[in-house]
Amino acid sequence: EPEVTQTPSHQVTQMGQEVILRCVPISNHLYFYWYRQILGQKVEFLVSFYNNEISEKSEIFDDQFSVERPDGSNFTLKIRSTKLEDSAMYFCASRRRGLNTEAFFGQGTRLTVV
Amino acid sequence: QQQVKQSPQSLIVQKGGISIINCAYENTAFDYFPWYQQFPGKGPALLIAIRPDVSEKKEGRFTISFNKSAKQFSLHIMDSQPGDSATYFCAASITNAGGTSYGKLTFGQGTILTVHP
Repeated sequence: EPEVTQTPSHQVTQMGQEVILRCVPISNHLYFYWYRQILGQKVEFLVSFYNNEISEKSEIFDDQFSVERPDGSNFTLKIRSTKLEDSAMYFCASRRRGLNTEAFFGQGTRLTVV
Repeated sequence: QQQVKQSPQSLIVQKGGISIINCAYENTAFDYFPWYQQFPGKGPALLIAIRPDVSEKKEGRFTISFNKSAKQFSLHIMDSQPGDSATYFCAASITNAGGTSYGKLTFGQGTILTVHP
């Protein structure tokens, strides 16, 4: 069964450093998302990406965040200058075209900022 | 107005019992209501979903009940099993945003379900 793959599974970084989280969505999917989940809290939407551009973003997704689909298969989330409060589990998701189609989530990248 | 409120935060049931998790929303533009199941160390996985034009949807032991006028929906897990122990999230989405569906999900706070053998 096709799945969304995320790397790395765990990333530890120093405050102020840049991190790039990587995702390989399911191949025929057209909509891509990043969500985050702070430990013990709910899953929060960060950004959606369609047709090679951001379609929607939350207030969390400030100028420190950026997304890219550099080569037609990978989908990346970059945090330019990490803060302690960026520590969370980051989930990539993808969805094929159509109303109510299922969003498939990756297994997540645990980001720890120290 | 974009919030989805979920209760209870945690739930303990005995094997064979019924687990019930409730969610409420404010935004009447939401038109797609999925439930996700999440095991430790894994991403959320779709369990079952409903649109507001039906009041109930059943898939195996899992049933969603939907009350459009009350803006509430709930997940019922019949004959709960220890393997059902996980975190359950309700969510809501607007799929008819000007004909373009971006599918952003707004999640509830989650319910940690523990089913004792």
